[in-house]
Amino acid sequence: SQQGEEDPQALSIQEGENATMNCSYKTSINNLQWYRQNSGRGLVHLILIRSNEREKHSGRLRVTLDTSKKSSSLLITASRAADTASYFCATVPLGQTGANNLFFGTGTRLTVIP
Amino acid sequence: DAGVTQSPTHLIKTRGQQVTLRCSPKSGHDTVSWYQQALGQGPQFIFQYYEEEERQRGNFPDRFSGHQFPNYSSELNVNALLLGDSALYLCASSLPQHNSLHFGNGTRLTVT
Repeated sequence: SQQGEEDPQALSIQEGENATMNCSYKTSINNLQWYRQNSGRGLVHLILIRSNEREKHSGRLRVTLDTSKKSSSLLITASRAADTASYFCATVPLGQTGANNLFFGTGTRLTVIP
Repeated sequence: DAGVTQSPTHLIKTRGQQVTLRCSPKSGHDTVSWYQQALGQGPQFIFQYYEEEERQRGNFPDRFSGHQFPNYSSELNVNALLLGDSALYLCASSLPQHNSLHFGNGTRLTVT
């Protein structure tokens, strides 16, 4: 079974609005990553947050991590039609170094309406 | 700077047949991982190759095997195909010290 679960499964917003998606995971982690996947394409790495970090920013992306609740959130501000994609969280288990075996969640399908 | 390339892009096979998928890693990367992504699901780790050896393996049967060549490219072989093997197969590359992966666009395998 997969490590993470994203919520919601699907999200539809208007261009310019903010989009928030959540990820819950089951075991202790070294780090958590977010990836984007356009339809039928490969995944693109967006941002990584380590277990000792609580918040991280990259451009229009803001990621938070709560290790006590085993959860993370991804906020995309001022969304654009080009942000339409599926977003996945992926965890690296505690004790593992490098990207040996990422455990991916089920994904959130984001649609940004122009 | 070439990214991760996979071939073929699409493939249709019949149950019981065997298939080989190919992957060339991003320039400068020496570690290759394979993932299976069923429709509507997240990717699941199959195995990872480094220095021409299988370094780690996910929960997949022995029907799934792989190989890495001296130029770091890799193959994924699946024997005795089942209908449930229909999926997008993703190859990703990295360096051992990296925490994130660079993915190719995948091979869409359909088993009929």
